[in-house]
Amino acid sequence: DSGVTQTPKHLITATGQRVTLRCSPRSGDLSVYWYQQSLDQGLQFLIQYYNGEERAKGNILERFSAQQFPDLHSELNLSSLELGDSALYFCASTDGGMGYGYTFGSGTRLTVV
Amino acid sequence: LAKTTQPISMDSYEGQEVNITCSHNNIATNDYITWYQQFPSQGPRFIIQGYKTKVTNEVASLFIPADRKSSTLSLPRVSLSDTAVYYCLVVFYSSASKIIFGSGTRLSIRP
Repeated sequence: DSGVTQTPKHLITATGQRVTLRCSPRSGDLSVYWYQQSLDQGLQFLIQYYNGEERAKGNILERFSAQQFPDLHSELNLSSLELGDSALYFCASTDGGMGYGYTFGSGTRLTVV
Repeated sequence: LAKTTQPISMDSYEGQEVNITCSHNNIATNDYITWYQQFPSQGPRFIIQGYKTKVTNEVASLFIPADRKSSTLSLPRVSLSDTAVYYCLVVFYSSASKIIFGSGTRLSIRP
């Protein structure tokens, strides 16, 4: 157990739908990062939050959004889902800046049918 | 353009030393290099992080030459359990804080 908790572990939904992925960071970590891992794109950085504020954006689509709440858990919202959004979505946390090692959760496998 | 490049795959045998190199041509002075290990259906796991020269911990060493355009992860005396995908990660602070993972190196260890 890495200390980073992601729910749900698996999610199957239809095209056009909206889903919410949840992440609880490791105790004491203020930064949360979201990553997408697909077979053709590898690991792609989506977005970072630090203590409730957005800090950096990567290759995140406009259909996707995220937020970090006062208790530091984070949610990634994916809307108007397409088949190509099927992937593993990882959350990672760290107590330092971007250059520090992340602790990853076990991921949410999203399948869009 | 911020980019990292790794070999797609490598094979080795138990007890050997394995070196995996990552190229990051546009790295700047403040950019860190981190390596992760990933097993199937698991999240990446932190191995080691460095900034320059050499860093060593209980599981690996990281060598970064003076020009910092590449880095080498060294795994001493590998075992079957080291079979995994290894990723280098560079945070390009100089490029609007781009976080770039390499495409991963699939390491296979044979008895």
